[in-house]
Amino acid sequence: EFVLTQSPGTLSLSPGERATLSCRASRSVSSAYLAWYQQKPGLAPRLLIYESSKRATAVPDRFSGSGSGTDFTLTISRLEPEDFAVYYCQHHGDLPFTFGPGTKVDIK
Amino acid sequence: QVQLLQSGGEVRKPGASVRVSCKASGYNFNTYGITWVRQVPGQGPEWMGWISTHNGHTFYAQKFQERVTMTTDTSTSTAYMELRSLRFDDTAFYYCARDRVGSYTGNTALDYWGQGSLVSVSS
Repeated sequence: EFVLTQSPGTLSLSPGERATLSCRASRSVSSAYLAWYQQKPGLAPRLLIYESSKRATAVPDRFSGSGSGTDFTLTISRLEPEDFAVYYCQHHGDLPFTFGPGTKVDIK
Repeated sequence: QVQLLQSGGEVRKPGASVRVSCKASGYNFNTYGITWVRQVPGQGPEWMGWISTHNGHTFYAQKFQERVTMTTDTSTSTAYMELRSLRFDDTAFYYCARDRVGSYTGNTALDYWGQGSLVSVSS
């Protein structure tokens, strides 16, 4: 069974700090099918990054994605107050299109 | 602007069925497929399936294969998801989301999402 694992589960940081979020796949996947979403309480997920490293429309350039094979990373260069949220990775290359369990970025 | 407007929350008893609607606007409905995702509060999203708005072709997660039907009405730009034989653990928010690019299998990221519909299963 294909699984995405995200770490850490929770990341406690202060505004202005750098956040590094990890998404690990149980087998090698194409970076063309790796996306990252942000979700705030009471709202639907929002697409941040597609094809592993491309920012979606209107996403600030402090968000960046990288990685290949089994290891992918979402980096937020300097946390803004609105960035404290839960982040999910998703692989959408092979059915079923799996989401990871999420990393919560909260205020330290 | 692109919008996906979902139907309101529903309460059902175990064994019943529920149908959630997702009305699209602001783009050509036939060009982009629709994915349905559910999320139990406090947990990650779960992919349920995908429907082509072009020809109605569907892919369902094996977990839901026997109980879910996804359809579209192109005349009203509306997608529907019906889940049958509801169980307590089907209580969740159900989201529709649009493919970022047109595809034959839904293997794209999801760029616009509905606001979510809470389905509660309770006796």
